[in-house]
Amino acid sequence: DGGITQSPKYLFRKEGQNVTLSCEQNLNHDAMYWYRQDPGQGLRLIYYSQIVNDFQKGDIAEGYSVSREKKESFPLTVTSAQKNPTAFYLCASEGTGTDTQYFGPGTRLTVL
Amino acid sequence: RKEVEQDPGPFNVPEGATVAFNCTYSNSASQSFFWYRQDCRKEPKLLMSVYSSGNEDGRFTAQLNRASQYISLLIRDSKLSDSATYLCVVNNQAGTALIFGKGTTLSVSS
Repeated sequence: DGGITQSPKYLFRKEGQNVTLSCEQNLNHDAMYWYRQDPGQGLRLIYYSQIVNDFQKGDIAEGYSVSREKKESFPLTVTSAQKNPTAFYLCASEGTGTDTQYFGPGTRLTVL
Repeated sequence: RKEVEQDPGPFNVPEGATVAFNCTYSNSASQSFFWYRQDCRKEPKLLMSVYSSGNEDGRFTAQLNRASQYISLLIRDSKLSDSATYLCVVNNQAGTALIFGKGTTLSVSS
């Protein structure tokens, strides 16, 4: 089946540790996005990539890093520099020529 | 003015009711408009795009007023399964990203 997968679904991390969230899509979409959602809040854009080997900071990029070595994959690393990393992280992809984004099931990150 | 504003609700309605959600956006250059639905602790899913002429999909009708920078979603004959949070979404000025409202929560009861 075509779609977007994120893993793991739940992730626990100790303070001071970096952690990488996986996002894979087989929709042949060029653009991919990472968002963060906090309880009762809207989605906030962390990073996005419109093409392989290129990515741009979103509104809240500090404390995060990404890579886009393959079209299908857009992993997000939450570094120890991120002050409040506990959140619901959503990855999305978008086909060329559309503005419609499709989301993966998300990863819930909890920092202990 | 926030980029995308929605009444957070919650809207509590009985089955069969008609309910309308409103949304305003600040960027007059936005060209793409959407309504997404998000169930509790799940990812957002596209409900419908919003076109200038207005569009309908079954019990759902979306309207766009560019002059007032206003988007609406009307749900007729509400079902229990319509209970969710509805997100108003517009694209940014550069057209490179989407901006999400905080959502309006709907609870339909029997």
